[in-house]
Amino acid sequence: AQKITQTQPGMFVQEKEAVTLDCTYDTSDPSYGLFWYKQPSSGEMIFLIYQGSYDQQNATEGRYSLNFQKARKSANLVISASQLGDSAMYFCAMREGQGGSYIPTFGRGTSLIVHP
Amino acid sequence: DTGVSQDPRHKITKRGQNVTFRCDPISEHNRLYWYRQTLGQGPEFLTYFQNEAQLEKSRLLSDRFSAERPKGSFSTLEIQRTEQGDSAMYLCASSSGTAVETQYFGPGTRLLVL
Repeated sequence: AQKITQTQPGMFVQEKEAVTLDCTYDTSDPSYGLFWYKQPSSGEMIFLIYQGSYDQQNATEGRYSLNFQKARKSANLVISASQLGDSAMYFCAMREGQGGSYIPTFGRGTSLIVHP
Repeated sequence: DTGVSQDPRHKITKRGQNVTFRCDPISEHNRLYWYRQTLGQGPEFLTYFQNEAQLEKSRLLSDRFSAERPKGSFSTLEIQRTEQGDSAMYLCASSSGTAVETQYFGPGTRLLVL
């Protein structure tokens, strides 16, 4: 079974509007971390936001917020007030456990295109 | 803080040749990771180091792949006898080993095997 599922291969949004990128995960480990990365066409993976499994509140970083629904095992990324520079691939990733293994698993990504 | 750097950024080689990539992590980070990314996929974990110790290498794609981090600072990834299927982006990341364990990535090395 896929540990990270991103069901939207591509998304389109108008500039200044909000967009939600979906991510569902599968784990039986009670301790895990969820990450979102942005990858522009240049190739570099840029860290956006982190959510720990024990965090009570949804993570926020500027225009990025993570809609964490633990019971549904979903960790959707919300980008508010989209900008043209937000056009990129977006990857959801999960790291399971504390200590020992620090190996994250990445989803296949969602391509976001922001229209003017 | 200069970020993670990788060299070269692009490499074109002929099938059967050996290639070596270098990664310089963020200076205070003790963990270093190598990934491969092919078109349309997310990064695929290959191996990682804590300081100079290679703690996980079972996911290296074949025995043609090897990695080193001799002094716990920079790392090299070598691919011997390259094949066309090795064409991909090779990404390096580093982290500080905190509980959050956020990984910061370099710009990657794009390999094309002809």
